[in-house]
Amino acid sequence: AQKITQTQPGMFVQEKEAVTLDCTYDTSDPSYGLFWYKQPSSGEMIFLIYQGSYDQQNATEGRYSLNFQKARKSANLVISASQLGDSAMYFCAMSPSLLISSGSARQLTFGSGTQLTVLP
Amino acid sequence: DAGITQSPRYKITETGRQVTLMCHQTWSHSYMFWYRQDLGHGLRLIYYSAAADITDKGEVPDGYVVSRSKTENFPLTLESATRSQTSVYFCASSFTSGPYNEQFFGPGTRLTVL
Repeated sequence: AQKITQTQPGMFVQEKEAVTLDCTYDTSDPSYGLFWYKQPSSGEMIFLIYQGSYDQQNATEGRYSLNFQKARKSANLVISASQLGDSAMYFCAMSPSLLISSGSARQLTFGSGTQLTVLP
Repeated sequence: DAGITQSPRYKITETGRQVTLMCHQTWSHSYMFWYRQDLGHGLRLIYYSAAADITDKGEVPDGYVVSRSKTENFPLTLESATRSQTSVYFCASSFTSGPYNEQFFGPGTRLTVL
């Protein structure tokens, strides 16, 4: 079974500053993927970034980067130069690698989310 | 429109009634999923489908039924709605290529059961 833990229900950050959203995970799968999704107040789920467990480098996507520490089982999201539009709920999620699994392994397991508020 | 759509976007129903939530995707993705989102729980998987006519249970399937006769459609039915099924429901789809299944989500359906 997989489990995602997001321990920060809410976070505040000043506009233009960087912020780190925490995510820890637990899994017995040897290979897995980690994802971050953004959910603004309008409700849609927006994919931000993913990291494969065997990827050598941390994933980056524009102002988003994923600080992946495999030994600590953490996959923190770093948002640089925060903007007012970054205010949203952020979800960390994971799934086993499709290289070794099939069927239900394709499901995502989500954390409970972190509500980020960017202050002007 | 291209992408993944859900209908209705908002629904109010009464306890005991049957309700069907629709999901349609235009990408021809093989995999489709239904999640429910409740405060404090994130998203939890209800059912998923690997292809037309292939479905399987997720974490919270009780009280729900799905079907998938066509690749592009994946309706979710609440056979006899209960108040505990008041939630926001998301449909998602994904490719089968590549090692990781990035999922693309629909806009969600907010269901209230009175």
